[in-house]
Parts: sequence; C-alpha cells; structure tokens
Amino acid sequence: NAGVTQTPKFQVLKTGQSMTLQCAQDMNHNSMYWYRQDPGMGLRLIYYSASEGTTDKGEVPNGYNVSRLNKREFSLRLESAAPSQTSVYFCASSDIPRGNYEQYFGPGTRLTVT
Amino acid sequence: AQTVTQSQPEMSVQEAETVTLSCTYDTSENNYYLFWYKQPPSRQMILVIRQEAYKQQNATENRFSVNFQKAAKSFSLKISDSQLGDTAMYFCAFMITTGNQFYFGTGTSLTVIP
Repeated sequence: NAGVTQTPKFQVLKTGQSMTLQCAQDMNHNSMYWYRQDPGMGLRLIYYSASEGTTDKGEVPNGYNVSRLNKREFSLRLESAAPSQTSVYFCASSDIPRGNYEQYFGPGTRLTVT
Repeated sequence: AQTVTQSQPEMSVQEAETVTLSCTYDTSENNYYLFWYKQPPSRQMILVIRQEAYKQQNATENRFSVNFQKAAKSFSLKISDSQLGDTAMYFCAFMITTGNQFYFGTGTSLTVIP
C-alpha cells in the first residue's frame, strides 16, 4: 500500500515550457487535491476533484489545468510555465463520502521555473 | 469565507519542555473537523491530531493534545516532553463536513533545542 505517489520529485523548467505532474493513490479514495506550498503562505488549493469525473477550481487555479483520469489518478498540467509557478506541489486524497476527512499527502514535487 | 490564522510564524522550545502552538479559524458553519499536520524537513505532511467540532472532549494523541474552544474558534496544539524529532513546520487546518475543501493556516516553524 503505497498511499499517494507523485512524480517527478524535482523538476526544472524554462519559462514557457509545459509539463504534467502525476499523482496516484491506491486507497480507493474519492476525493483528490492539488496544492502549492510557498514560504509564508501555507498550502493553497489549486484544483480538486470530489469524485471521478468532476473537477473544481480552488483558490489559485490560474495557469493550471487538471485531469481526473480515473479514480486513482489526478494530474496537474502547466501549459506555459512562469517563474511565479516556482513552488512545491502536493497532491492529496481523502474519502469524504465515507466520512474519512483526513487528507493523505504525497511526498511533493519541487518545481523551479527559470 | 473560511480562514485559518496561525499567528506564530516561528517558535522554539527546549527539549523535554512543553510548547503550545496557536490557531484560530473563522467559519459560519457548525459542523467541521479540525486538524494539525506536521511537516518535517523531509517535506512529508503527517497528520498529528484531529478533532471533530461536535465533540466537546479535547483530542489527545500521546504527547500531543489540543485545546478546542468552539465559541472562541480556537484550536491550539500542546506538545509535551518535546523531542528533537518534533522539529518541523506545523499546520492547522479545518474542513466543513458539507464541503470538499480543506483550509490551511500559514504554519508555525517549531525548533526543539537540545
């Protein structure tokens, strides 16, 4: 039982490049989330997916797109990376419909945009 | 709007001493869960303790306990017998049971001094 996995762990992009961050969970959770963590700002929600087939914007969605590929996988795409997107990105999952309100986090991806 | 405030960006404590981290939140909802997460230098987010808002009894997990004051919307974390491994960033968070989003504070960086 690996929990929540994310790839890659580190990435350096040039301004304007695109990339997709991958996230998968093996806990059969319905809800999945993408956060970014910046110094002094805590975790801010980018997008979330309450269940397979649905996605919703969070607090800071601009410049990102997401895909809930199936129940296990939830990817985050940066179409044209900008230096302001330099951050640590976390994927998380929870099982809210079954009353499991705890969020389980992946190990994070450190992204640098130059 | 839902907000979480952690007013202590940094704290330190001597090993074996007790420290309390503050958290206040704002919501007009009545049913919600509160959490404290720990993020050590490894970056992995780890659940420390959680509290259901409908329970009056304060949650306890070994050396970690909370002081939950619902009327004051306060949720502080007390760490007893501090250990070097407690050095980490600590985040307060909550979610309302009718929603899907977690709301995080900006974190408190705790250093345990040998």
